[in-house]
Amino acid sequence: DIQMTQSPPSLSASLGDKVTITCQASQNINKYIAWYQQKPGKAPRLLIRYTSTLESGTPSRFSGSGSGRDYSFSISNVESEDIASYYCLQYDNLPPNTFGAGTKLELK
Amino acid sequence: EVQLVESGGGLVQPGRSLKLSCAASGFTFSNYYMAWVRQAPKKGLEWVATISTSGSRTYYPDSVKGRFTISRDNAKSSLYLQMNSLKSEDTATYYCARHDGYYHYWGQGVMVTVSS
Repeated sequence: DIQMTQSPPSLSASLGDKVTITCQASQNINKYIAWYQQKPGKAPRLLIRYTSTLESGTPSRFSGSGSGRDYSFSISNVESEDIASYYCLQYDNLPPNTFGAGTKLELK
Repeated sequence: EVQLVESGGGLVQPGRSLKLSCAASGFTFSNYYMAWVRQAPKKGLEWVATISTSGSRTYYPDSVKGRFTISRDNAKSSLYLQMNSLKSEDTATYYCARHDGYYHYWGQGVMVTVSS
């Protein structure tokens, strides 16, 4: 099974900052990575699929990049509504899909 | 608008069974793979089961294989998860999701607590 190593586990940012989260797969996942946002008590929300394709309704301050085993997710100009946990998901080898362990974004 | 609504959660004793349901609307249910994903309290997301469009193929991680059974009724646009021999480590919020490779749409989740 493919493992996803997500870092950092937590992140502290000020409003307006740019933050970056990374996920490294245990093997090439051919850009089949998605990124989710989850707020407390809510279901995850799909933000980005296939590395960099923004879902409808995802603000343009969110972006994704990467290839092979290494991927990143960024938020430019962090807003208060972005305070949440973020997860990567590989879907190249399915099943199983595998999630990263998550990153909790907090306000500094 | 795609909607997924789970039901059937609750408190159950270890070793007992529980069946979750998910009612789907807003898309042609029979055209899509479906899945269950769970999240233990204050933990990350874990895939639990996937079912093909016809229901002929099912997939599980080792953690639930042999205990959980995913099924679907395309005529009712409904997805199910039969959970047997429940363990304390199965305590989680269970989400129904449309499985487009990635999990595209999610239900609001239903809580399952396994405790004596």
